[in-house]
Amino acid sequence: EIVLTQSPGTLSLSPGERATLSCRASQSVSSNNLAWYQQKPGQAPRLLIYGASSRATGIPDRFSGSGSGTDFTLTISRLEPEDFAVYYCQQYGSSPPWTFGQGTKVEIK
Amino acid sequence: EVQLVESGGGLIQPGGSLRLSCAASGFTVSSQYMSWVRQAPGKGLEWVSIIYSDNSGGSTYYVDSVKGRFTISRDNSKNTVYLQMNSLRAEDTAMYYCTVWDCSSTSCADYWGQGTLVTVSS
Repeated sequence: EIVLTQSPGTLSLSPGERATLSCRASQSVSSNNLAWYQQKPGQAPRLLIYGASSRATGIPDRFSGSGSGTDFTLTISRLEPEDFAVYYCQQYGSSPPWTFGQGTKVEIK
Repeated sequence: EVQLVESGGGLIQPGGSLRLSCAASGFTVSSQYMSWVRQAPGKGLEWVSIIYSDNSGGSTYYVDSVKGRFTISRDNSKNTVYLQMNSLRAEDTAMYYCTVWDCSSTSCADYWGQGTLVTVSS
């Protein structure tokens, strides 16, 4: 089973600032099958990025993903008020289980 | 329009059983990979189980903590996916979501149900 470790646990930033979130895998993620989700309180998660760098349908271009192998990054270029939430990475390479990271909370500074 | 509606959650004693349902509309469950994801109160997301599409053989997979206790299945005639949960434990307490990705040649979108809450307690 691939273990995903996200850092930092909490990111305190102001609107307009750049957010950089990290996701490290315990072994290489097959075909860079790494996704990022956003979750707000009381809501289901929402897919932001799949395939490590492809934006999901309807996702603004201030969200970008990068990385390969075991190290992946989600970048939010300029934080909007609605971007303050918890972000999870998930690997879906090869056979399941398709594990999630423990999450990074982006909070208003 | 794609819609997923979960049902079947509730309060159950340890050792008991529940069957969760995920009724789909706007697509056919047999043609997609259907997953269950859970979230314990105040905790992160945990992937639970998946059933592959018919074209991919309909294989099923589980997280280790539920293997031998949970079974994922689908009824194509009802366009519904199920999660049969047996021998429930306190640590199975969570909101359970049904989810699917819909990918075209250019992009992917995800769809989630509203979730159904399972509480395992005496």
